[in-house]
Amino acid sequence: SQTIHQWPATLVQPVGSPLSLECTVEGTSNPNLYWYRQAAGRGLQLLFYSVGIGQISSEVPQNLSASRPQDRQFILSSKKLLLSDSGFYLCAWRASGGAINNEQFFGPGTRLTVL
Amino acid sequence: EDKVVQSPLSLVVHEGDTVTLNCSYEVTNFRSLLWYKQEKKAPTFLFMLTSSGIEKKSGRLSSILDKKELFSILNITATQTGDSAIYLCAVAVTNSGYALNFGKGTSLLVTP
Repeated sequence: SQTIHQWPATLVQPVGSPLSLECTVEGTSNPNLYWYRQAAGRGLQLLFYSVGIGQISSEVPQNLSASRPQDRQFILSSKKLLLSDSGFYLCAWRASGGAINNEQFFGPGTRLTVL
Repeated sequence: EDKVVQSPLSLVVHEGDTVTLNCSYEVTNFRSLLWYKQEKKAPTFLFMLTSSGIEKKSGRLSSILDKKELFSILNITATQTGDSAIYLCAVAVTNSGYALNFGKGTSLLVTP
């Protein structure tokens, strides 16, 4: 069966500091991977998606970046955090082969507070 | 711009009541509509709907999609306190790698 891991679970960082959040998926190959953010009072917002190694698409211009160095690894980064980067960051995966209506499954999330 | 709107935004009911949550959407390149339940942490998958008029059912929860009128409903019968959560509706589109466009959610509180 497939599992998805995210770490860290919680993070408190000062404004201007760097960020690295990691997501890994087990039990599947060549998944589609996604980063979403849920900010207070707002819905889940897509930040990045990836359909393969090294392929990253950004949906919202911001000071965040993403990378996919391995098939089942997805990293969210920032060089300098802003207060507005606070939120609940969720990684999700979707099977890319077979039926094209595959569900998306979410990792446990990272709660980031920028002070 | 793709849009997913859920109503009501919040709801308080008594145990045993039946509730209906609504989700309407305006998107290009529609592929499927998904419902998730979110408690304290990450959303957990409930249903995926792709065809109009076919009800999906799991225990006391059921959902149906109307692709002509562009909406879906999620029904919960005989509610329990454990149903208290935020219910999220999301639409997958064929561009953006089938990424999901989410509504803001309906916060359901079931009181004993």
